[in-house]
Amino acid sequence: GAVVSQHPSRVICKSGTSVKIECRSLDFQATTMFWYRQFPKKSLMLMATSNEGSKATYEQGVEKDKFLINHASLTLSTLTVTSAHPEDSSFYICSASPPLGGRQETQYFGPGTRLLVL
Amino acid sequence: GESVGLHLPTLSVQEGDNSIINCAYSNSASDYFIWYKQESGKGPQFIIDIRSNMDKRQGQRVTVLLNKTVKHLSLQIAATQPGDSAVYFCAEKTGATNKLIFGTGTLLAVQP
Repeated sequence: GAVVSQHPSRVICKSGTSVKIECRSLDFQATTMFWYRQFPKKSLMLMATSNEGSKATYEQGVEKDKFLINHASLTLSTLTVTSAHPEDSSFYICSASPPLGGRQETQYFGPGTRLLVL
Repeated sequence: GESVGLHLPTLSVQEGDNSIINCAYSNSASDYFIWYKQESGKGPQFIIDIRSNMDKRQGQRVTVLLNKTVKHLSLQIAATQPGDSAVYFCAEKTGATNKLIFGTGTLLAVQP
């Protein structure tokens, strides 16, 4: 149980283009999903909290117009990196928490998406 | 041995030995803690969790110890195997929010 998937696993794009990353909870409904960014040999940095049916909550220093988050259903959240630049190249990871009554505090992570912007 | 600095702290152990990975957390009000294992190029994998009203919890081959007095968390892995080689992160949750704050991570290198 508690499987989270991400798509794509790897993407290479040209500078200036937008890239959409999908995060799905496969066997549970997630009212809350989280988006992280990770640099090589570094820890996970929380970018935003994605809430189903409402606006995402962004961490300080994260540009909401740059990193668009949509949580349209209880099993899907998307992160769109708009007008991507080489400095946006990173490993993006999502996580999801089961709903009330389950292990609400535990976050289960997706496999990550490697973004390379040329 | 361990090394710190520009690289991840590293713990090298021999296969079959027990491993102890340590973590100092930041907030005395944190009430929930999780250990994750991350293999290269993959997302973090849940290992074990513990609430602040406990000081020890055991799983399969793993034990988490919590010392709230000194804000210290440890992960013990029994009979370490090559497949245990990965980066291990501790994470803490504080208050009503479900946000997790991650530690810097420790690279566990298991020598065959």
